[in-house]
Amino acid sequence: GENVEQHPSTLSVQEGDSAVIKCTYSDSASNYFPWYKQELGKRPQLIIDIRSNVGEKKDQRIAVTLNKTAKHFSLHITETQPEDSAVYFCAAVGNTGRRALTFGSGTRLQVQP
Amino acid sequence: DAGVIQSPRHEVTEMGQEVTLRCKPISGHDYLFWYRQTMMRGLELLIYFNNNVPIDDSGMPEDRFSAKMPNASFSTLKIQPSEPRDSAVYFCASSLGTSVNNEQFFGPGTRLTVL
Repeated sequence: GENVEQHPSTLSVQEGDSAVIKCTYSDSASNYFPWYKQELGKRPQLIIDIRSNVGEKKDQRIAVTLNKTAKHFSLHITETQPEDSAVYFCAAVGNTGRRALTFGSGTRLQVQP
Repeated sequence: DAGVIQSPRHEVTEMGQEVTLRCKPISGHDYLFWYRQTMMRGLELLIYFNNNVPIDDSGMPEDRFSAKMPNASFSTLKIQPSEPRDSAVYFCASSLGTSVNNEQFFGPGTRLTVL
């Protein structure tokens, strides 16, 4: 089945700096890669996603890039703010027809004011 | 729409007791997922349904766990008997099969503590 690895496990940045979180996946048939943000005690919430036919997608301060050949994708947050502090999960949907998400292990982002 | 609804939000029980978690997906969504979140194992799929039919239950830990979806608006996850290692946050999520992407919407979760 699909396996998703995520790095780093923790990330601390100064307010205004950029943050980058990286994930790799194992199933070359995976075609959908969402990123979820989870605040303490809350549910995971989708912040951005990308499909396998797109190399990059941007939404204001966040962007995701996908390299299908290398089977890795990354989340980029620019101009970080204290409210960006949370745990971020990457995920992948595996082989065609299987709709469940396989999650990475999460990255705890701390933005220092 | 109220989003995915889960109940109870918190459950504290003693080892050996039966626990039933409930989920109401977003109206019109045809996929329903049960995930479990722990510090050690992260977010992992337990089971998912399509049009009320279980599709993949490979993540269900053992026979103590069972899930049902008797209709399109209700699902249950039952643990019998419960054990301390079952303590976790259990999330239900739903999605629309015909959507362009596969976005899954998560419920607020049920925090289960087994003493």
